[in-house]
Amino acid sequence: EVQVVQSGAEVKKPGESLKISCKGSGYDFTTYWIGWVRQMPGKGLEWMGIIYPGDSDTRYSPSFQGQVTISADKSSSTAYLQWSSLKASDTAMYYCARGVSGLLLLQNGAFDVWGQGTMVTLSS
Amino acid sequence: QSVLTQPPSASGTPGQGVTISCSGSGSNIGTNTVNWYQQLPGTAPKLLIYSNNKRPSGVPDRFFGSKSGTSASLAISGLQSEDEADYYCAAWDDSLNGGVFGGGTKLTVL
Repeated sequence: EVQVVQSGAEVKKPGESLKISCKGSGYDFTTYWIGWVRQMPGKGLEWMGIIYPGDSDTRYSPSFQGQVTISADKSSSTAYLQWSSLKASDTAMYYCARGVSGLLLLQNGAFDVWGQGTMVTLSS
Repeated sequence: QSVLTQPPSASGTPGQGVTISCSGSGSNIGTNTVNWYQQLPGTAPKLLIYSNNKRPSGVPDRFFGSKSGTSASLAISGLQSEDEADYYCAAWDDSLNGGVFGGGTKLTVL
């Protein structure tokens, strides 16, 4: 079964760093893009960025460029989303999702398998 | 303000049909394919339609996607109570070099 499983909920303080994970299984992790999506409380979905684990090619939404870092470890089939200094406004649910195969056009891909989400709560 | 524009809400009675629109521009919907996601309350989004009008395995044929120019639509026929959810359109934007979502439409089945 193809699935992506995310790390558990986090409660952090503003200014702290954080790295959350997304582990793929049931498919060749290195040949599919993996994306990250933010959903703030009561709000809609926001596309953050996407990475191709095979060569670490990464694209960021301008809204998130410089605010987060997306990475992947091929050896453990795991993608990561990290912050160096969290802000109160980072409180949100973060989803990872499998994107299109690297054999197909990224622009015409969809997120076909979603993780369960990681809730990140900032509290001073 | 989302790059793709959707109505914030839609509604219908059981058995009826409803259509949700998604308006974009030449750099996104006008050039690339459109995907639709369904998010049931308290759950992760689920792919509903990809490549404008294709349904993943398991999605009922009551859900129909279409695209024309810089707009797309999701039509749902034979509404059921379990269709009550938030629906999002999405596409790649060549100007932003990234994906974009619509603001979402909350569907209420009366």
